[in-house]
Amino acid sequence: AQSVTQLGSHVSVSEGALVLLRCNYSSSVPPYLFWYVQYPNQGLQLLLKYTTGATLVKGINGFEAEFKKSETSFHLTKPSAHMSDAAEYFCAVSSYNTDKLIFGTGTRLQVFP
Amino acid sequence: GAGVSQSPSNKVTEKGKDVELRCDPISGHTALYWYRQSLGQGLEFLIYFQGNSAPDKSGLPSDRFSAERTGGSVSTLTIQRTQQEDSAVYLCASSLGLRPPDTQYFGPGTRLTVL
Repeated sequence: AQSVTQLGSHVSVSEGALVLLRCNYSSSVPPYLFWYVQYPNQGLQLLLKYTTGATLVKGINGFEAEFKKSETSFHLTKPSAHMSDAAEYFCAVSSYNTDKLIFGTGTRLQVFP
Repeated sequence: GAGVSQSPSNKVTEKGKDVELRCDPISGHTALYWYRQSLGQGLEFLIYFQGNSAPDKSGLPSDRFSAERTGGSVSTLTIQRTQQEDSAVYLCASSLGLRPPDTQYFGPGTRLTVL
């Protein structure tokens, strides 16, 4: 079975500050890991994904995440927050032998001027 | 190109009525997924189609829920005898259906409110 835990349902940062959104996973098989962003009243948009290979993954809008197997983590970071980053962020897991995404409960990011 | 589209965008219905939600996937995408997003349960997988077949229906919460896909394209999610706990945003996603599983592209969702 697979699961995802996102620590912190709400995160607040100042504009220009580091963004760190935490994701830990549980998987009995090698995981595929995803970060999606959801803006108000919109669908989910893929930020980045890890399947195999390089463990540091760069995505859109300056976001990146690092797969750390020893820590079962896939935390999302961005060096400098913009007001436009305010949204809800979801971490998800799947694997080579499953087609569905298992999502975390989401983290709402607020960015203050 | 066009993304995943869903209709209606909003649906208000009375308890006990049946509803149909429609999903038009990205052209050429053989895989189609339905998810449900609710305050109490977060984002939950409902059902997965590969072509017109549904190899994974494990997320359908009860036998009041069913889905079909025709022509390898449009999919309809039907909820019979709706209950208030069915109120949620129903999201559809599609992908190329490759192995290993590739990126799923999501539609804007249908917000269902059961009164």
